Order: sequence, then C-alpha cells, then structure tokens
Amino acid sequence: GENVEQHPSTLSVQEGDSAVIKCTYSDSASNYFPWYKQELGKRPQLIIDIRSNVGEKKDQRIAVTLNKTAKHFSLHITETQPEDSAVYFCAASKAGANNLFFGTGTRLTVIP
Amino acid sequence: DAGITQSPRHKVTETGTPVTLRCHQTENHRYMYWYRQDPGHGLRLIHYSYGVKDTDKGEVSDGYSVSRSKTEDFLLTLESATSSQTSVYFCAISELPVGNTEAFFGQGTRLTVV
Repeated sequence: GENVEQHPSTLSVQEGDSAVIKCTYSDSASNYFPWYKQELGKRPQLIIDIRSNVGEKKDQRIAVTLNKTAKHFSLHITETQPEDSAVYFCAASKAGANNLFFGTGTRLTVIP
Repeated sequence: DAGITQSPRHKVTETGTPVTLRCHQTENHRYMYWYRQDPGHGLRLIHYSYGVKDTDKGEVSDGYSVSRSKTEDFLLTLESATSSQTSVYFCAISELPVGNTEAFFGQGTRLTVV
C-alpha cells in the first residue's frame, strides 16, 4: 500500500516568517494530495489540495507544490500568524479510492 | 461545518468489554469512514462504507466491525476492547470516494481502555 512520510514533526517560526512542510509518497499511482489542519482538540479540516495534473496551487497565504517525478509535495505558508499554530497532515490517495493515507503530522507553532 | 455528530465524545471502558461508537450525519453523503488517530501514526482507516449495508475493511480493521443500516448512521464496534485500541476515533463523510473529493471529519471520540 501507500506510504506517506512527513517532515519535520515539529516546526517553530516567528510570526510573519514562512513555514514549509514536506511529504513524500511511495505509490506512483497516487494522484490526489490534500492537506488537513487540526487545531488542538478539534477535527481535521481540509485547507488545500492538489491533483497530479498541476504542479502548484495557491490560496491566499497557503500554497502546495507537487513533484511527481520525485514523488514529493510540500505545503508553504507565508506571513504566518498565531492562528496558523496547529498540527498539519498531508495525505495521498488516488481517484476512486476509498482511503486517504496520512503522514504522521507536523506541529507548527507560530511565535508572536 | 458538515453535519456530523459522533457519540459518545469520551468513553472509558474495561478490557474485554464490547464498545460501540456512533457516527450520525445529516448531509446524505454516500461514503462514511472510521479512522483512528494515534501519536506517530497520523490517521489510519479502520473501515468504510460506500452505501447502506455496503462496507469494507481498511488498513487496521482487526478487532473492529461496522454496520450501516441507514444512510445517516455508521456504527463502529469493538467486540472485546483491548488496551491497544485506546485512541481517538474520527468518523468522516464524503459525497464521492475520498480519492476524488474532500472528506469532512466529526469531532472525534476519545476512547480509553483500562
């Protein structure tokens, strides 16, 4: 099955700086890559996703890049704010599949 | 937020007892999922349902069973709870398979097996 690895496990940045979280996947057939944000004690919520027919997608301060050849994708958060502090999970799947394979999570702390 | 309610939100149970967790949705979504979340493992799929009475196993299904007798309810049963099943359990729903669309998660159930 699919194996998703995520780094780093913890990340601290100063408010206003950028944060980058990286994931790799093993199954070359995977073509859907969502990112979920989970605030302390809350449910995971989708913040952005990308499909393998594009290399980059942006939504305001958040962007995701995908390198299919290297089988890795990254989450970029610019101008970080304290409310960005949370655990972020990457995931991989393929069209029609009934499972999301999650990374182990990155705890992001934005220091005011 | 998508209309997903999990119950109970917290439960402590003894080893060897049966436990049932409930997921209730008001979105009329076809697909429902049970995940468990453990430190160092992210979220892992236990079972999923693709329609009423249609279910299948996920990555970590041993020791768990599920049932879906109507669209809105998906039950997860631990037949004989073990300490290794101490975890936070999340239900998720989606209109299409999760490889095609966003999954919406419930608030989670924290289960402790003592």
